[in-house]
Amino acid sequence: DAKTTQPTSMDCAEGRAANLPCNHSTISGNEYVYWYRQIHSQGPQYIIHGLKNNETNEMASLIITEDRKSSTLILPHATLRDTAVYYCIVRVNSGNTPLVFGKGTRLSVIA
Amino acid sequence: DAGVIQSPRHEVTEMGQEVTLRCKPISGHNSLFWYRQTMMRGLELLIYFNNNVPIDDSGMPEDRFSAKMPNASFSTLKIQPSEPRDSAVYFCASRTTGQLSPLHFGNGTRLTVT
Repeated sequence: DAKTTQPTSMDCAEGRAANLPCNHSTISGNEYVYWYRQIHSQGPQYIIHGLKNNETNEMASLIITEDRKSSTLILPHATLRDTAVYYCIVRVNSGNTPLVFGKGTRLSVIA
Repeated sequence: DAGVIQSPRHEVTEMGQEVTLRCKPISGHNSLFWYRQTMMRGLELLIYFNNNVPIDDSGMPEDRFSAKMPNASFSTLKIQPSEPRDSAVYFCASRTTGQLSPLHFGNGTRLTVT
């Protein structure tokens, strides 16, 4: 079962920051927060992951609250190509524990 | 890096026929996963392999489904006999077993059983 809660859908204006929230109030101390996205007709694509510190890469930033019960994925300058379903997943980062996907957030970037 | 390669991209078959989906993982990846995606159920994990050995097949819906990984560069998911409710997009994904290694997905096989 997915251990995260995300809004079903969000809109964002092109060029603005997209802030996608995720609640994971039952997260364990050894579980990481992962974000993937799925563009229409493609397989899911890895974006970023983190444990407790904020993380940034070329695609996005991940902000994790101090109590780790929630996080926000930030796309700093959303483009039309960022329209996709975004999945927030918590997972123990040991062995080969598989990813369990929830319903995700459908982000629509509007021109 | 060619990514995870799945074939065919689309498959249309009649109920009762055997269907074989194929996957070539990224070279050097030693874990392979099969997922199924439908509108109703979202992305579901069917089975995964580590070093060609099936680790967990509890997501395989019925005995009609079987998966093999004869070597590190090839895996198949077979449905025999197929049923209309098997219609879905089937994804294969691979990764290394390094703890921070992300999962890489193929572009899926869209299966339609009529």
